[in-house]
Amino acid sequence: AQSVTQPDIHITVSEGASLELRCNYSYGATPYLFWYVQSPGQGLQLLLKYFSGDTLVQGIKGFEAEFKRSQSSFNLRKPSVHWSDAAEYFCAVGPLPGGYNKLIFGAGTRLAVHP
Amino acid sequence: DAGVTQSPTHLIKTRGQQVTLRCSPKSGHDTVSWYQQALGQGPQFIFQYYEEEERQRGNFPDRFSGHQFPNYSSELNVNALLLGDSALYLCASSLASGGRTEAFFGQGTRLTVV
Repeated sequence: AQSVTQPDIHITVSEGASLELRCNYSYGATPYLFWYVQSPGQGLQLLLKYFSGDTLVQGIKGFEAEFKRSQSSFNLRKPSVHWSDAAEYFCAVGPLPGGYNKLIFGAGTRLAVHP
Repeated sequence: DAGVTQSPTHLIKTRGQQVTLRCSPKSGHDTVSWYQQALGQGPQFIFQYYEEEERQRGNFPDRFSGHQFPNYSSELNVNALLLGDSALYLCASSLASGGRTEAFFGQGTRLTVV
């Protein structure tokens, strides 16, 4: 069955430090991969997406992610974290067989940023 | 472009009641998906509507039903509410182009069942 695992439930970093959020997926075909961010009480905003091609993708707000097929991973990185990056981050995979744009999400990683 | 809009933003219902949530997709989008996000969890797929029909469904009981209108807007209905239905309900819109598109999410409706 398709699944997404985000091993880190909660991460705390200092402002200005680098960040890496882990995401592993289980999927029977070539996946489309996404990272979304959610601020408290808000909906989901797309940070970046991978469909094919270059395995290093750039997103908004200075985020990037690298697709590693051999490791079934799609980790999110940022070289220097800002206090405004504090939020919850979700990795997602889709579409499922049959298409239809259905997404499967991980449980999320909550990021706290110390000043 | 107003993006995906959902109403209401918050709702409190009593166990056993019925509720209807509404969603207007992003301009140009023809597909609407609904997700349930319980506290501290990732969103879970409920179902998806395209051309006014439900074309895919997640692991949710029949108490959850929906509708899509000719203007692509959608409703999510939940009957016989349970305490466990308390969650943030997210609507996402996209284009029915085989998956190589991104889904845009609304701000969600926070449903509390008491």
